Amino acid sequence: AQSVTQLGSHVSVSEGALVLLRCNYSSSVPPYLFWYVQYPNQGLQLLLKYTTGATLVKGINGFEAEFKKSETSFHLTKPSAHMSDAAEYFCAVSRAGGSYIPTFGRGTSLIVHP
Amino acid sequence: SQTIHQWPATLVQPVGSPLSLECTVEGTSNPNLYWYRQAAGRGLQLLFYSVGIGQISSEVPQNLSASRPQDRQFILSSKKLLLSDSGFYLCAWNPVYGYTFGSGTRLTVV
Repeated sequence: AQSVTQLGSHVSVSEGALVLLRCNYSSSVPPYLFWYVQYPNQGLQLLLKYTTGATLVKGINGFEAEFKKSETSFHLTKPSAHMSDAAEYFCAVSRAGGSYIPTFGRGTSLIVHP
Repeated sequence: SQTIHQWPATLVQPVGSPLSLECTVEGTSNPNLYWYRQAAGRGLQLLFYSVGIGQISSEVPQNLSASRPQDRQFILSSKKLLLSDSGFYLCAWNPVYGYTFGSGTRLTVV
């Protein structure tokens, strides 16, 4: 079985501040890990993914995430928040049991203050 | 390149009316296709998926059904809508290295 926990349904930062969105997972096999972003009334867009190899992965819009097996975490970061980063962010894990259908977290709403 | 289309973008339907939402994929063949629902303030719920024409797996027993009449077409239907069917419906393709999602349909049942 696999599961995802996103800590904090809402995260509020000031423009220019560090963005940190937390994601912890559980998986019985080596996981594939994903972050998606969703803007209002739009579909989800893949931000970045970890499958194998380098544990620090870079994505679009200046975001990156680090796979830490010992902590079962895959936190999303961005050094400096922009107003345009305000959106809903979803962490997802897949690959358990041979199925690639991901399990999604409940999402974290990122609020950026001017 | 591969693209995924969903329509309509928004829909307001009365309780008890039928529903048909369509999703099509371009630029690939034999895709695995998925229907999700996002209720207000909640996460993503997998409703159906299909690995080929005529092959449908249901994840949640409910008032909805799905069909795969053609290789790149996936349809979500209901014979009689309930208020609880309101939500944002998303079609997705190919989850192995990250889904590609459609733009979604906002369904409001009144």
